[in-house]
Amino acid sequence: DAGVTQSPTHLIKTRGQQVTLRCSPISGHKSVSWYQQVLGQGPQFIFQYYEKEERGRGNFPDRFSARQFPNYSSELNVNALLLGDSALYLCASSRGDTTSTDTQYFGPGTRLTVL
Amino acid sequence: DQQVKQNSPSLSVQEGRISILNCDYTNSMFDYFLWYKKYPAEGPTFLISISSIKDKNEDGRFTVFLNKSAKHLSLHIVPSQPGDSAVYFCAATPAGKLIFGQGTTLQVKP
Repeated sequence: DAGVTQSPTHLIKTRGQQVTLRCSPISGHKSVSWYQQVLGQGPQFIFQYYEKEERGRGNFPDRFSARQFPNYSSELNVNALLLGDSALYLCASSRGDTTSTDTQYFGPGTRLTVL
Repeated sequence: DQQVKQNSPSLSVQEGRISILNCDYTNSMFDYFLWYKKYPAEGPTFLISISSIKDKNEDGRFTVFLNKSAKHLSLHIVPSQPGDSAVYFCAATPAGKLIFGQGTTLQVKP
């Protein structure tokens, strides 16, 4: 079975531009979460979506937004890019159970570089 | 405010020996903990998890121990193999989101 897929693999943008990252979850998973990982740190939670509804939001500015589609795929949008947005953006999918034991599985990530 | 901490940035062990990676957390409400392994240029790979109702969970060479009173968990890898060399993250999951530690880089020497 296919795992979580993300596109593109790499992306280079300039300050002030906008970017859209895409994610397809594991078949049967209804929840998608987004994380940002900068070098030397653990991933930081950005958003979680379940059944097209936002279930959680991390401490990120309003320049970050996301949505989930009826097929459970998701997009993360970042507007007005800053140099500090350069990071690995990770998508994770899970069944979407409300129980805390809902394990998240990660895609390979999108490496965003802002110049 | 780091709610999940991995205080050892790196660990080096000999092939065949035990690797022990440690993790501390601050919030006693956390009730599910996971370990992920990450190779460069790849996403984290789920390894093993433990619920707060248990104090030990095993899966092959990997065992996770949870000490709730100390708010401490550890991952044991026995025997360690060179292919285990990677960055290991512990994470806690309150309310659906994962809170990660900073990671520990494990190097297993042949």
